[in-house]
Amino acid sequence: EADIYQTPRYLVIGTGKKITLECSQTMGHDKMYWYQQDPGMELHLIHYSYGVNSTEKGDLSSESTVSRIRTEHFPLTLESARPSHTSQYLCASSGLTSAREQYFGPGTRLTVT
Amino acid sequence: AQKVTQAQTEISVVEKEDVTLDCVYETRDTTYYLFWYKQPPSGELVFLIRRNSFDEQNEISGRYSWNFQKSTSSFNFTITASQVVDSAVYFCALSEAAGYSTLTFGKGTMLLVSP
Repeated sequence: EADIYQTPRYLVIGTGKKITLECSQTMGHDKMYWYQQDPGMELHLIHYSYGVNSTEKGDLSSESTVSRIRTEHFPLTLESARPSHTSQYLCASSGLTSAREQYFGPGTRLTVT
Repeated sequence: AQKVTQAQTEISVVEKEDVTLDCVYETRDTTYYLFWYKQPPSGELVFLIRRNSFDEQNEISGRYSWNFQKSTSSFNFTITASQVVDSAVYFCALSEAAGYSTLTFGKGTMLLVSP
């Protein structure tokens, strides 16, 4: 059973606001990921991290930023939210090798008005 | 570059029917890993199975079964006697063994099981 948490679950916010989506895991996993999922279902990797102080951009360009100061915590920040940022954001974690499955959090559904 | 194709965007069945979700992948690696995930309406992706490229044995878990065929680069998923609770989006994914590869997901297949 995966222990990965995301807050908030739902967020409605006005354009121009700064927001931080929280993600924490208690499994001691080295790798963590952020995905953006549009209503069309497709998952897009936007950020990932191999461990503390490591962050990488994913396949889809994103205006968000991430940090990894602690192993268990991988927050995503939007400095100035726009309606185009409206989406579902999913956080995941896994062991270090590529053989390891990723475990996903419940997601944050963000709406920017 | 690796690629995963789920050609079926949406499948509708009636309860108790069997249904197969197709997954075709492309990779240059000889060692790789294949995954299936389920995303119910609640939104969380749930890990179902991992298969490595050296293990072509089919696997059965209750009503779920997976057919891995390297010759056709396919990793299909069958649900036997489908139930309404099986309604979800199902994703197939691929990870290459080299380095610290990330997962490449297919676009997903939405399965609707009606009573």
